[in-house]
Amino acid sequence: RKEVEQDPGPFNVPEGATVAFNCTYSNSASQSFFWYRQDCRKEPKLLMSVYSSGNEDGRFTAQLNRASQYISLLIRDSKLSDSATYLCVVNAGTNAGKSTFGDGTTLTVKP
Amino acid sequence: GAVVSQHPSRVICKSGTSVKIECRSLDFQATTMFWYRQFPKQSLMLMATSNEGSKATYEQGVEKDKFLINHASLTLSTLTVTSAHPEDSSFYICSASRGFGETQYFGPGTRLLVL
Repeated sequence: RKEVEQDPGPFNVPEGATVAFNCTYSNSASQSFFWYRQDCRKEPKLLMSVYSSGNEDGRFTAQLNRASQYISLLIRDSKLSDSATYLCVVNAGTNAGKSTFGDGTTLTVKP
Repeated sequence: GAVVSQHPSRVICKSGTSVKIECRSLDFQATTMFWYRQFPKQSLMLMATSNEGSKATYEQGVEKDKFLINHASLTLSTLTVTSAHPEDSSFYICSASRGFGETQYFGPGTRLLVL
């Protein structure tokens, strides 16, 4: 079993749709959680950190459920520019601060 | 913000040559830098973790004598691909972090093509 698992998709949605991505992690000692987005042939860019209380940034909402070891990302009112691969990232706070990346979920928003 | 640069952005070289890639944190001090490799349509693969002033920690299966990492200062880490071969052709990306468990900021990556 992978340390961080994501549904690879692809998710193909129309503009304006709401889409949710899920991510599970196996290390219960994990301390920091992030969502990154990666555009084709580009480097990953931080989208948002994820906190137990949940956090929202415009159309994006991230949730963390430590008991279930589960992280989610919700995108409302999808835009064409949201098309990308979304990476779930988990850091255990040990092991030299190394982060574990999920394989990513690919989203395509269509007109 | 936190800006990380990489140089060069693209390199084409002959088989057997060595290629050096630089990763710089421009506006913050990076205690830890990470080197990744990504093949087309595959996920990021961590190659090594580099802490300033100490030896890099390599992931299983990554040859430390082939991929030389130097993290001489809090703003600069270098990856040297020695005696590159066509199978080393890939997208190499570095990231930098202020400390343990902190957010990683990625450089724009270096595309290496070995002929």
